[in-house]
Amino acid sequence: EAQVTQNPRYLITVTGKKLTVTCSQNMNHEYMSWYRQDPGLGLRQIYYSMNVEVTDKGDVPEGYKVSRKEKRNFPLILESPSPNQTSLYFCASSLLAGPPADTQYFGPGTRLTVL
Amino acid sequence: AQSVTQLDSHVSVSEGTPVLLRCNYSSSYSPSLFWYVQHPNKGLQLLLKYTSAATLVKGINGFEAEFKKSETSFHLTKPSAHMSDAAEYFCVVRETGANNLFFGTGTRLTVIP
Repeated sequence: EAQVTQNPRYLITVTGKKLTVTCSQNMNHEYMSWYRQDPGLGLRQIYYSMNVEVTDKGDVPEGYKVSRKEKRNFPLILESPSPNQTSLYFCASSLLAGPPADTQYFGPGTRLTVL
Repeated sequence: AQSVTQLDSHVSVSEGTPVLLRCNYSSSYSPSLFWYVQHPNKGLQLLLKYTSAATLVKGINGFEAEFKKSETSFHLTKPSAHMSDAAEYFCVVRETGANNLFFGTGTRLTVIP
């Protein structure tokens, strides 16, 4: 089954404790992206990747890191989480970044709470 | 610069009545426009997309949207609401040549039985 998976789905942690949220897709997509969703703000892009070893900042990259060493994986790293990073995080992928095939497939989400 | 404005944060309709979710965008060039739906505790799913072909776009589950360049709008409609349509809907824009998407703040649709 074609899908985007994220782990963990739920995480409660404390300020300053490094964490990684994994994202994996099995559709051989070049483009992958991370978003955070906050009430009243919609989804905001954190980082995206056009292909292996190619990453770029989105709208809200501060406090986050990513890597793209393999095509299928795009982990999100919080080196020193803070409470303002409490949010719902979505990973997404698509076959191509540009038209016409820019339909993005979303993972189920990771709900992160930083105390 | 591109941006998306969803004019209503919450829309409530009765089952069987029409649905209208409004979206206005600003874009320097010809954008690609999308509507995504998010059911409770689920990820987002593409409903439909406009990529400079026909201005009236049909999507899944009976939804459609019309791209009106003169009004910079991309409103989502459905003739008859179903209970399963209750969800949050996001209007999304991508500018030509850009690699990232801009999401609206979302419209929560409630369907009253």
